[in-house]
Amino acid sequence: DAKTTQPTSMDCAEGRAANLPCNHSTISGNEYVYWYRQIHSQGPQYIIHGLKNNETNEMASLIITEDRKSSTLILPHATLRDTAVYYCIALNAGNMLTFGGGTRLMVKP
Amino acid sequence: NAGVTQTPKFRVLKTGQSMTLLCAQDMNHEYMYWYRQDPGMGLRLIHYSVGEGTTAKGEVPDGYNVSRLKKQNFLLGLESAAPSQTSVYFCASSRGTGEAFFGQGTRLTVV
Repeated sequence: DAKTTQPTSMDCAEGRAANLPCNHSTISGNEYVYWYRQIHSQGPQYIIHGLKNNETNEMASLIITEDRKSSTLILPHATLRDTAVYYCIALNAGNMLTFGGGTRLMVKP
Repeated sequence: NAGVTQTPKFRVLKTGQSMTLLCAQDMNHEYMYWYRQDPGMGLRLIHYSVGEGTTAKGEVPDGYNVSRLKKQNFLLGLESAAPSQTSVYFCASSRGTGEAFFGQGTRLTVV
């Protein structure tokens, strides 16, 4: 599976949109981009995934560039409860999830 | 619908003792996984299973054994615990896609 690169940490003001970038320049055509988050001391939580098209669900939006070399997870109105480590994972179907360091998002009042 | 349940939630072991961590899922998932997470680190895959009666090694399998006798359960065993196995252990299950459901973790300390 392709390696992903994320900033180590980011801050966001409460109520504002949080935009978390992920670089996956070596992603192959059949690899999906998955996003998870891990709130302190809890198990990771699936957020969203996509292949080529932008995706939206009740938690977030995923924007994937046309060349698929990068993506952005958007939390439209961040709250204090969104403070967590966010993981971006490029994954071939049938392969195992591999977690890197992720981005530590701090939502501030 | 409980999802993924891990037992126990906390445990302190002495070096050399053995124990079994139990993971149970009620979503009829084929795939189950065991990860460990050390302080300030990402999750590392220990073992996984793609169906009842199957197991396979992950990234860091040494010192652990697993069994999947029933589809809904995935057991992780430590035969002779070492301080290096102090960690938080997470179990997860999935249908074989990247959308996995995780338990709340077992915090194990080996003294």
